[in-house]
Amino acid sequence: SQQGEEDPQALSIQEGENATMNCSYKTSINNLQWYRQNSGRGLVHLILIRSNEREKHSGRLRVTLDTSKKSSSLLITASRAADTASYFCASNAGNMLTFGGGTRLMVKP
Amino acid sequence: GAVVSQHPSWVICKSGTSVKIECRSLDFQATTMFWYRQFPKQSLMLMATSNEGSKATYEQGVEKDKFLINHASLTLSTLTVTSAHPEDSSFYICSASGSGGGWNEQFFGPGTRLTVL
Repeated sequence: SQQGEEDPQALSIQEGENATMNCSYKTSINNLQWYRQNSGRGLVHLILIRSNEREKHSGRLRVTLDTSKKSSSLLITASRAADTASYFCASNAGNMLTFGGGTRLMVKP
Repeated sequence: GAVVSQHPSWVICKSGTSVKIECRSLDFQATTMFWYRQFPKQSLMLMATSNEGSKATYEQGVEKDKFLINHASLTLSTLTVTSAHPEDSSFYICSASGSGGGWNEQFFGPGTRLTVL
């Protein structure tokens, strides 16, 4: 399959709670990226973590990468209703991005 | 970051019509452009990769005669869905990658929604 795996497929939380999404990929990578997509809209690049990095922070986002397990996680802290969207990981090997199946996050006010 | 545009944003057409979608890199030269398709509530699936001046490389299962890709310049790639049918209705997203940079970042267009009646 072209895609990696993401779990959960859907996540519903209350505003203020943390949201964690996991991603697994299949091949060796140069970096792994996370994107957000609001319904019917284009992709928004959130954060990139390189293969030699283990953790990265950007505002309320925290990304981890475990290359031995070929997995990554995205943590959104203190979630807001505006964080409601689909989140995709994309593994970069050379000049190709392979997307995971995505996690649909709903943050209830 | 670099800007990639797509035109049109949304197109509705009758079955059998051929539809052309444009992808432009507005402020950089895109040596490589990618075309993705996304069905509702699904992830992006890479359809093809095109390098400027070369024939596109199609992913397995993507019909090259149905999805014609032209990348004639460093700022423009087009995807033509020939004789579109309702099952071709989808969200088509392009991305562009320029030369240079350690890892060739891809910049995504806003997508084109195709609805075939």
